[in-house]
Amino acid sequence: GAGVSQTPSNKVTEKGKYVELRCDPISGHTALYWYRQSLGQGPEFLIYFQGTGAADDSGLPNDRFFAVRPEGSVSTLKIQRTERGDSAVYLCASSLRPQGANGELFFGEGSRLTVL
Amino acid sequence: DAKTTQPTSMDCAEGRAANLPCNHSTISGNEYVYWYRQIHSQGPQYIIHGLKNNETNEMASLIITEDRKSSTLILPHATLRDTAVYYCIVRPFSSGSARQLTFGSGTQLTVLP
Repeated sequence: GAGVSQTPSNKVTEKGKYVELRCDPISGHTALYWYRQSLGQGPEFLIYFQGTGAADDSGLPNDRFFAVRPEGSVSTLKIQRTERGDSAVYLCASSLRPQGANGELFFGEGSRLTVL
Repeated sequence: DAKTTQPTSMDCAEGRAANLPCNHSTISGNEYVYWYRQIHSQGPQYIIHGLKNNETNEMASLIITEDRKSSTLILPHATLRDTAVYYCIVRPFSSGSARQLTFGSGTQLTVLP
């Protein structure tokens, strides 16, 4: 597709369950980012991939959160033992190059996670 | 990272210019000013960025003061579809990390018919 695709668009789960959120970036974009957005707040950085490797994972809140990008394209954000506080919209973005002078990010529409 | 300050909300009449201010008084010489917007239930969308010169593209104009401590995003003829949260972000020029794209709470712009 032409833009960043995220699935599922909505996910409802129970506390303690495991969740995977998928991001399909724009073709050819080497940089991929995950953000989390709580209601009424701006997006909060989680992790950044350059190619297959996580170049910066300093935004991951704790070790229940993990992300992979094994072939340098699609990425999966994994959340173990979900908690109600994990409820948020998880946004994925990609860019043609790492954030240099023209570091425009292209965002997907997000995956809304609700933990009951 | 330089912190930005934006009004929480603004209204603008349809067809008029919308002028969104941003204060970034602690901005460093190597930091750019970026603007993104987020329409309800969508991901953020890049609008424009600049270093010290005024910039214009098909979406908006960016006016940066000479001392670079503040800037204004101008939507010349606002439409109802411009209703969104507008984020002003400052970010270092050469960043090895995406962390520096730090979103604040932004300005909720409501364009009124």
